[in-house]
Amino acid sequence: DSGVTQTPKHLITATGQRVTLRCSPRSGDLSVYWYQQSLDQGLQFLIQYYNGEERAKGNILERFSAQQFPDLHSELNLSSLELGDSALYFCASSVGSATGKETQYFGPGTRLLVL
Amino acid sequence: AQSVAQPEDQVNVAEGNPLTVKCTYSVSGNPYLFWYVQYPNRGLQFLLKYITGDNLVKGSYGFEAEFNKSQTSFHLKKPSALVSDSALYFCAVTDSNYQLIWGAGTKLIIKP
Repeated sequence: DSGVTQTPKHLITATGQRVTLRCSPRSGDLSVYWYQQSLDQGLQFLIQYYNGEERAKGNILERFSAQQFPDLHSELNLSSLELGDSALYFCASSVGSATGKETQYFGPGTRLLVL
Repeated sequence: AQSVAQPEDQVNVAEGNPLTVKCTYSVSGNPYLFWYVQYPNRGLQFLLKYITGDNLVKGSYGFEAEFNKSQTSFHLKKPSALVSDSALYFCAVTDSNYQLIWGAGTKLIIKP
């Protein structure tokens, strides 16, 4: 158990809908990362937050947004969902320095199915 | 462009034999290098990392990796494979902004 929790575990929704994925980092970790894992595109980094502020952006679509709250949990909002958004969404956390040396700890993921 | 390559989609090894999962990279500067493992229906787990020092890094579950700067490689190795090592392995390397660049993953299959 990494100490990172994600809810829900599974999510089934329809095209055009909006969903929110939630992540609670390990105790003491200030950074949260969001990733998308799909069969055709592998593991894609979406976005990173550090202590409530956006720190880095990866391949995140404009239909997607995220935020980190004062209690350090984070939410990833996916809107106007398309079939191609079906994937496993991971959250990871780390202590939060900007050195690149730190280990990321991954949650179990949320499996999203868009029908 | 900065990139990480895991040239083999799948590696098959017999139980008890040594295994190698390859990773090469193309980034500027002196990157930090990581290996993560993903078991079916689970999140990624940290295995090991190279920051500085000895080029041979030892990690979890008996895995090790050798950093080779001249060949820009960071291959993952284990002397004797177990069936339970079967999983998806990811190599990741920091870019010039200290953000991780991920490889596509290599599926390791250990046959009894």
